[in-house]
Amino acid sequence: KAGVTQTPRYLIKTRGQQVTLSCSPISGHRSVSWYQQTPGQGLQFLFEYFSETQRNKGNFPGRFSGRQFSNSRSEMNVSTLELGDSALYLCASSPGLNYNEQFFGPGTRLTVL
Amino acid sequence: DAKTTQPNSMESNEEEPVHLPCNHSTISGTDYIHWYRQLPSQGPEYVIHGLTSNVNNRMASLAIAEDRKSSTLILHRATLRDAAVYYCILRAYNTNAGKSTFGDGTTLTVKP
Repeated sequence: KAGVTQTPRYLIKTRGQQVTLSCSPISGHRSVSWYQQTPGQGLQFLFEYFSETQRNKGNFPGRFSGRQFSNSRSEMNVSTLELGDSALYLCASSPGLNYNEQFFGPGTRLTVL
Repeated sequence: DAKTTQPNSMESNEEEPVHLPCNHSTISGTDYIHWYRQLPSQGPEYVIHGLTSNVNNRMASLAIAEDRKSSTLILHRATLRDAAVYYCILRAYNTNAGKSTFGDGTTLTVKP
């Protein structure tokens, strides 16, 4: 099976722009979670989707949003980018909610200038 | 969410056992203890998980204290490829708790 794929792998944006990141889960997986990883804050949970519905949300401002499509692929969007949004954005998939193991993708490295 | 506490860093010699501790004193009865590791420039990778009993798999062993307030990940023979950041996380088992709270993790250095 192919692993979790994330596109693009690297992205450079400027302040005020918006960005969309994409995640394709492992085939058959229906749950997708997003995380932000920065040197200062570590790995922080953004949100989790299952069957096209957001099931959990972390403590991030409304500029961060996401969605999941019927094929389980997911996108996250960040509007009005700030310098502090520079981070590695990781996507993880699992067969369902509360599954014991999450499978992470390689991440998208976002740099905001 | 219940938090975990881990040492910032640990060192080990190659081919020696490594015991990575984790404290989770506020763990709830429905929390599973999971361990992930993150190699440089990669996403986290699942290592092992458990609820109450000690667990073994091909990668590691997980020893859980009787009161469940702490656990230890055991790598039986560390290799250079085991150098990574190890995260101990709690993941609740109910329909609205799929999120995982990652702490700062322990950076394991393996010396040849």
